[in-house]
Amino acid sequence: GAGVSQSPSNKVTEKGKDVELRCDPISGHTALYWYRQSLGQGLEFLIYFQGNSAPDKSGLPSDRFSAERTGGSVSTLTIQRTQQEDSAVYLCASSLARGRETQYFGPGTRLLVL
Amino acid sequence: SQQGEEDPQALSIQEGENATMNCSYKTSINNLQWYRQNSGRGLVHLILIRSNEREKHSGRLRVTLDTSKKSSSLLITASRAADTASYFCATKEGSTLGRLYFGRGTQLTVWP
Repeated sequence: GAGVSQSPSNKVTEKGKDVELRCDPISGHTALYWYRQSLGQGLEFLIYFQGNSAPDKSGLPSDRFSAERTGGSVSTLTIQRTQQEDSAVYLCASSLARGRETQYFGPGTRLLVL
Repeated sequence: SQQGEEDPQALSIQEGENATMNCSYKTSINNLQWYRQNSGRGLVHLILIRSNEREKHSGRLRVTLDTSKKSSSLLITASRAADTASYFCATKEGSTLGRLYFGRGTQLTVWP
């Protein structure tokens, strides 16, 4: 079946503009994660959604970052007033709940802030 | 903050040789996972080992876990050029749901 999809694949924006990144998880997966990967670095956790529970926002680096998940499926990560240090690959992953720990990753969105 | 730290940062070997990558972590874990990332692509799950397991195999992959030393190793036997990628360990703490803590990865290059 279809895997995790993300859009856009690439995004170039100017400093100060807002951007929205989209993630479509695997159908039926109740858990959804956003990570950020800077060049040559590991993955930095941003936010985690699990079903209807309150999301774990502990990884969001500043109040310019927010995310929502509508209807328990599609998620949107929004970065307001983008800065150059926001340039990175933003990865989304989903997993089944109830002990299925394997996370399935999308291809990522490459964000470049000029 | 990252918990897993891979060693070495980069590894270069010839086809047919074995590749060993290590991962150290800091706190108690529920499980440890290894992922692979080809350049410019998303991560692919390779193998998961639980805290009560010591060794696990999957094809040419062998993972060990030493919870007393808080370390894990990933062995790829008879490597192929197609194994060239970055390899990340990721740990999960506490309950079975929730975030993973990733290391910075080991960049493996296998020369034909």
